[in-house]
Amino acid sequence: AQKITQTQPGMFVQEKEAVTLDCTYDTSDQSYGLFWYKQPSSGEMIFLIYQGSYDEQNATEGRYSLNFQKARKSANLVISASQLGDSAMYFCAMRFLGDDKIIFGKGTRLHILP
Amino acid sequence: DSGVTQTPKHLITATGQRVTLRCSPRSGDLSVYWYQQSLDQGLQFLIQYYNGEERAKGNILERFSAQQFPDLHSELNLSSLELGDSALYFCASSEAPRQSEQYFGPGTRLTVT
Repeated sequence: AQKITQTQPGMFVQEKEAVTLDCTYDTSDQSYGLFWYKQPSSGEMIFLIYQGSYDEQNATEGRYSLNFQKARKSANLVISASQLGDSAMYFCAMRFLGDDKIIFGKGTRLHILP
Repeated sequence: DSGVTQTPKHLITATGQRVTLRCSPRSGDLSVYWYQQSLDQGLQFLIQYYNGEERAKGNILERFSAQQFPDLHSELNLSSLELGDSALYFCASSEAPRQSEQYFGPGTRLTVT
């Protein structure tokens, strides 16, 4: 069955430290895309980063990078030099390129401590 | 501001009723997605339209339907509402299907009493 697992319901991290949010997925498809979204307390969904299953390099966007390990079926989000404004809910999601369906993990709530 | 608009922002209605949620995508975006976010089910993909045609279907109930109009705005119709339909409904858009980036609207908070 196709599934996304985020095992950390909540995390507390000191400001300026790097943080890794875990995401593992289960699929037998070869073609898929992986996303990370941020949802602050205000409720909006903000796209952070994307990784295609055939991309050889790990995706990076500013302070965000995606640690993609295809054999392990993991797509962890790394935030470098965390800031107070990074406190939010973070969702990992996958798009299946065969039928375009998208599934989300349950999310990880990240708290950045001053 | 993502450029995606959703109306209304909040909606309170009774069980058994029908409501329509509206979404206007970003200028130039042809693809529209609907999502439901509830406490017990998390974020769920409901349905995707591209240039007026249904493209992908997720966990959308039969009581729910959607369409995308020639001007590219989309409506999500929810009927025979139940308490469990209370959720935040998001619309997102992208230029084309399979684009890596989807721009989300602010959501419509539906409360069924």
